[in-house]
Amino acid sequence: ETGVTQSPTHLIKTRGQQVTLRCSSQSGHNTVSWYQQALGQGPQFIFQYYREEENGRGNFPPRFSGLQFPNYSSELNVNALELDDSALYLCASSQQLGQGTDTQYFGPGTRLTVL
Amino acid sequence: GENVGLHLPTLSVQEGDNSIINCAYSNSASDYFIWYKQESGKGPQFIIDIRSNMDKRQGQRVTVLLNKTVKHLSLQIAATQPGDSAVYFCAENRGRDDKIIFGKGTRLHILP
Repeated sequence: ETGVTQSPTHLIKTRGQQVTLRCSSQSGHNTVSWYQQALGQGPQFIFQYYREEENGRGNFPPRFSGLQFPNYSSELNVNALELDDSALYLCASSQQLGQGTDTQYFGPGTRLTVL
Repeated sequence: GENVGLHLPTLSVQEGDNSIINCAYSNSASDYFIWYKQESGKGPQFIIDIRSNMDKRQGQRVTVLLNKTVKHLSLQIAATQPGDSAVYFCAENRGRDDKIIFGKGTRLHILP
């Protein structure tokens, strides 16, 4: 196990609702990245947080937003949920920023179903 | 990741044989490559990584080979075991941030 935890494990929402997913990074890690993994596909980068600021964003609309807290835990918020938002949401933590070579360790994910 | 629908490439290997999973990457600027294993219902698990200044790296029962000339990465698993059944993803880091770009996964089936 990596030490990265996510909550909740599963979540069911309806279209138009809002959702907040949570991630606790591995001890000693200061960077959190979020990924969306649709069924049968590889994870896609949503965004990354370092020292409480967004650092890099993938091709996701503004209704996907996030936060990082002083203890390096993080939240992913999705507004105005759409059916296509149904996916496994993965959080990954790493030690440093900027070297481009820091290993990311993934949590177990949150399975979001939008009805 | 790219849209590969519900049909991942599949590799079936006899238990005890060696497995070789291949991956092509697209960006010659990528300088760090990672292999992840993902079991059903779990997050990706780090297996092994390699930097662009190397062409081979070995771990416990696993070896990663990097050919920068043809932008090809491979993962070799020695003496494949039933617990190796999973989807394997190669991933690249493009150096300017920690964003990881995942390749198409390969599902590894172990035959008894």
